[in-house]
Amino acid sequence: EAGVAQSPRYKIIEKRQSVAFWCNPISGHATLYWYQQILGQGPKLLIQFQNNGVVDDSQLPKDRFSAERLKGVDSTLKIQPAKLEDSAVYLCASSFYAAEQFFGPGTRLTVL
Amino acid sequence: GEDVEQSLFLSVREGDSSVINCTYTDSSSTYLYWYKQEPGAGLQLLTYIFSNMDMKQDQRLTVLLNKKDKHLSLRIADTQTGDSAIYFCAENPQGGKLIFGQGTELSVKP
Repeated sequence: EAGVAQSPRYKIIEKRQSVAFWCNPISGHATLYWYQQILGQGPKLLIQFQNNGVVDDSQLPKDRFSAERLKGVDSTLKIQPAKLEDSAVYLCASSFYAAEQFFGPGTRLTVL
Repeated sequence: GEDVEQSLFLSVREGDSSVINCTYTDSSSTYLYWYKQEPGAGLQLLTYIFSNMDMKQDQRLTVLLNKKDKHLSLRIADTQTGDSAIYFCAENPQGGKLIFGQGTELSVKP
């Protein structure tokens, strides 16, 4: 079974630029999560989707971050405009059962 | 509130047992988790325990849960150099999102 796929793996941008990350969850997983992991910390949830509906986006900085999951499968996370403090690894996870979340390899973002 | 605390570092010798400890705050969590993260990689689900269990064993891994003290531990028997990584404890107070600790960096010396 293929795991969660994410691209790109690395991205370097200047502050105030925009960036987008893509995630393809494990086939059949209805729930998709985006987490932000700042260096030296544990991941923190940004947004959770159930199929193509948002379940929890309470920690998403909505003035600059947006996410969508239009057909209930792939998802994109966008940052516009980026700030220095957005430098982090962005992790996508998916689950079939709520008990088991499987993570992708992450996208490492550096904002200069 | 939602908070998970772990010690930051642990160093052991190859072949010894490692014990990584974690405390959490939300007693409503249905499951408690241990994830492993190797450098440059995502998080690998190692094991998880249902909140009404005291212990779960899976090959070299033993998870102990003290619900009264909100304390979770992960014991790795016969620790190998390949076990060197960061280990994250997590709770899921609302049955969906995971709340992670800061991670414990395990260093295994030959």
